[in-house]
Amino acid sequence: AQTVTQSQPEMSVQEAETVTLSCTYDTSESDYYLFWYKQPPSRQMILVIRQEAYKQQNATENRFSVNFQKAAKSFSLKISDSQLGDAAMYFCAYRTYNNNDMRFGAGTRLTVKP
Amino acid sequence: EPEVTQTPSHQVTQMGQEVILRCVPISNHLYFYWYRQILGQKVEFLVSFYNNEISEKSEIFDDQFSVERPDGSNFTLKIRSTKLEDSAMYFCASSGLAGGPGELFFGEGSRLTVL
Repeated sequence: AQTVTQSQPEMSVQEAETVTLSCTYDTSESDYYLFWYKQPPSRQMILVIRQEAYKQQNATENRFSVNFQKAAKSFSLKISDSQLGDAAMYFCAYRTYNNNDMRFGAGTRLTVKP
Repeated sequence: EPEVTQTPSHQVTQMGQEVILRCVPISNHLYFYWYRQILGQKVEFLVSFYNNEISEKSEIFDDQFSVERPDGSNFTLKIRSTKLEDSAMYFCASSGLAGGPGELFFGEGSRLTVL
């Protein structure tokens, strides 16, 4: 069974600083995809960044980047130059190549302090 | 920008009543999903739907649940006889691709409160 674990229920960061959110997962698959979703207080989850497992290069989207360690089954999200608008719940998610369902971690609530 | 819309945003019902949650996925998407999030817990997969039939479902999706795409735009989740433990936020999602890197686009959710 595939499981996704986010060990940090809450994190906080000072505005303009960097924070890293942790995620580990368990799978026996070789082809899969990993995602970070952001859920602001308005409730809708939106995609922040995705990573294909076959790619060695870590994905980057502006201030957001990941550290993907396939052997360790680790997929952390780094947010640089944190902004007040980054405050949200962040969910790590996993999806195999062929399956339709996406598995989510429990989420990390990020607070950004001005 | 196209988005997934859900109604109602909040529904309160009595235990044992039937509830229908509605979703309008993004128009050119082919894959539809329901997830739920019990307060303070993780987002859980319920069911995926493609080509007018269920493609996958979780153990949560028992006989009390059903999904339907009654017309070309709506995608509904019905809970036949609600229980207290059905109280949760229910998220609809759609995607244009099956599996792979295709992201899921989520609606804002429908909060169900069962009394």
